[in-house]
Amino acid sequence: NAGVTQTPKFRVLKTGQSMTLLCAQDMNHEYMYWYRQDPGMGLRLIHYSVGEGTTAKGEVPDGYNVSRLKKQNFLLGLESAAPSQTSVYFCASRYRDAGDYGYTFGSGTRLTVV
Amino acid sequence: QQQVKQSPQSLIVQKGGISIINCAYENTAFDYFPWYQQFPGKGPALLIAIRPDVSEKKEGRFTISFNKSAKQFSLHIMDSQPGDSATYFCAASMGGSARQLTFGSGTQLTVLP
Repeated sequence: NAGVTQTPKFRVLKTGQSMTLLCAQDMNHEYMYWYRQDPGMGLRLIHYSVGEGTTAKGEVPDGYNVSRLKKQNFLLGLESAAPSQTSVYFCASRYRDAGDYGYTFGSGTRLTVV
Repeated sequence: QQQVKQSPQSLIVQKGGISIINCAYENTAFDYFPWYQQFPGKGPALLIAIRPDVSEKKEGRFTISFNKSAKQFSLHIMDSQPGDSATYFCAASMGGSARQLTFGSGTQLTVLP
């Protein structure tokens, strides 16, 4: 039982390149989230999804797009990477009825944009 | 605008000592206050959480103290151990199905042996 798996774990991009981060969960969770973690700023919500085919913006959505075509996968896309997007990205998921105790985080993707 | 402010940014404690991390929030609509623990290279993991209808919650060596009138809450780690060395985040969430978490800026705790 893998929980929440993020790929890749590390990536270096050049400014202007695009890429997709994949989050996969095998717990049949309805809700999924993408956060970014920057020094001194904690984790900030980028986008989230409350079910297959639905997405919504979080606190810092600019420059990112997401898709949730399958319940178990939540993709985060960068169409034209910028140095300001250098960060560690975390995906999380939880059951709809788990209240607040059901968040499961992945181990993160460290992205550097040069 | 940071809705959850956390201090200190870093904390060094001797083994066996008490570690105290403080958080303050602004939005009175928050109704759930968890603390997360993060080790290097790992994602955050829930440590302990509290709702505003209680003033204190204890789980083992970890205690949350909550002051609703002051809009503050704190994490106390008793008998701190080197294995507690990690980054700690306070967070808050409010009603609504998605229950998004708003995080504090984090505290890097080092417990010296």
